[in-house]
Amino acid sequence: DAKTTQPTSMDCAEGRAANLPCNHSTISGNEYVYWYRQIHSQGPQYIIHGLKNNETNEMASLIITEDRKSSTLIVPHATLRDTAVYYCILHNYGQNFVFGPGTRLSVLP
Amino acid sequence: NAGVTQTPKFQVLKTGQSMTLQCAQDMNHEYMSWYRQDPGMGLRLIHYSVGAGITDQGEVPNGYNVSRSTTEDFPLRLLSAAPSQTSVYFCASSPPRGSDTQYFGPGTRLTVL
Repeated sequence: DAKTTQPTSMDCAEGRAANLPCNHSTISGNEYVYWYRQIHSQGPQYIIHGLKNNETNEMASLIITEDRKSSTLIVPHATLRDTAVYYCILHNYGQNFVFGPGTRLSVLP
Repeated sequence: NAGVTQTPKFQVLKTGQSMTLQCAQDMNHEYMSWYRQDPGMGLRLIHYSVGAGITDQGEVPNGYNVSRSTTEDFPLRLLSAAPSQTSVYFCASSPPRGSDTQYFGPGTRLTVL
């Protein structure tokens, strides 16, 4: 059973920030929120992960609500190359990753 | 580092044939895994290994065998290919305990006729 809920698809204008939501109302205390993306025909690519605090790296920012029941991945200044399927995954260290269907983000010119 | 490499990139088999998909990583990662991805679907875990000599089943292991004789290599064997095994296969690896970030290979596209 899916532990996260993501919209099936989203559009974003090129140059704008893409905000991808993820609901995980049953998250447990030890579970991290991971984000991966998969550009067409390629292997998934790690983006970012976090436990409680907001995180930022060169690819994106991760905003986790205080109750940890939802999160948002922010891809700043999206380009056409950011068009991909984005996966939000709950993960305990030492456990296997479980990928759901993800959100298909289309960046439009 | 080459990262995670997979061969072949494409393969067409006839029903009943056997073959081995190769996966190698040069990052000294302990954890390696195999996923399959059917059209429009997420990835499903087939088999995984937490170190040389240790393998275990994932969500969809039937019809596949694995072995892990070295840290670097984790081949996936299809014993008797079936059309239901037509899919894209991804291999992934993770660094030692404490960081579970997985690094994926480019995939092998398999068609079984």
